[in-house]
Amino acid sequence: EVQLVQSGPEVKKPGESLKISCQTVGYIFTNYWIGWVRQVPGKGLEWMGIMNPDDSETRYSPSFQGQVTISADRSITTGYLQWSSLRATDTAMYYCARLSSVKGDAFDIWGQGTLVTVSS
Amino acid sequence: AIQLTQSPSSLSASIGDRVIITCRASQGISTALAWYQQKPGKPPKLLIYYAFSLESGVPSRFSGSSSGTDFTLTISSLQPEDFATYYCQQFNTHPFTFGPGTKVDIK
Repeated sequence: EVQLVQSGPEVKKPGESLKISCQTVGYIFTNYWIGWVRQVPGKGLEWMGIMNPDDSETRYSPSFQGQVTISADRSITTGYLQWSSLRATDTAMYYCARLSSVKGDAFDIWGQGTLVTVSS
Repeated sequence: AIQLTQSPSSLSASIGDRVIITCRASQGISTALAWYQQKPGKPPKLLIYYAFSLESGVPSRFSGSSSGTDFTLTISSLQPEDFATYYCQQFNTHPFTFGPGTKVDIK
């Protein structure tokens, strides 16, 4: 079964760094781009960016360029989203998702989400 | 970036009703559009891709159509499990933006 399993909830202070993970199982990791989507509590979905684990090509939404870093470790079929200095406005649920090129680049499989809370 | 607008932003409907949700793109995106369903506390679920194609396992009461830059998601006969928020997403041009969502609740 194809699954994306995300790391657990995080509570951080402003200015701290963070790296959350998305472990993939059940498919060939390097055959699919992996992406990240933000959802502020009670709000809609925001497309953050995607990465090709095969060659590490990455594309970011302008809204998130320079604010986060998307990466991956092929050896453990895991994707990552990281911040070097968190802000209170980063408080949100973050989803990883598999991008399916045969479905037009839609996200066909989603992780369960990682809630990040940033508060002093 | 391509902007997507959805209408209505929310609607109330009864079991068995036909429900139509519209998504309009700010510029042409061909048929590069997907629809997702999200229930509270859950990740989104892909329903339709390429504007018309039904994702495997999704009930046939869901369908998609397009006309120019206007796209519609139709639920032919609303079921109890369909009460949720629905999002469109374009994947014609980066960034692959989402619409603001349409919440469907019980009348």
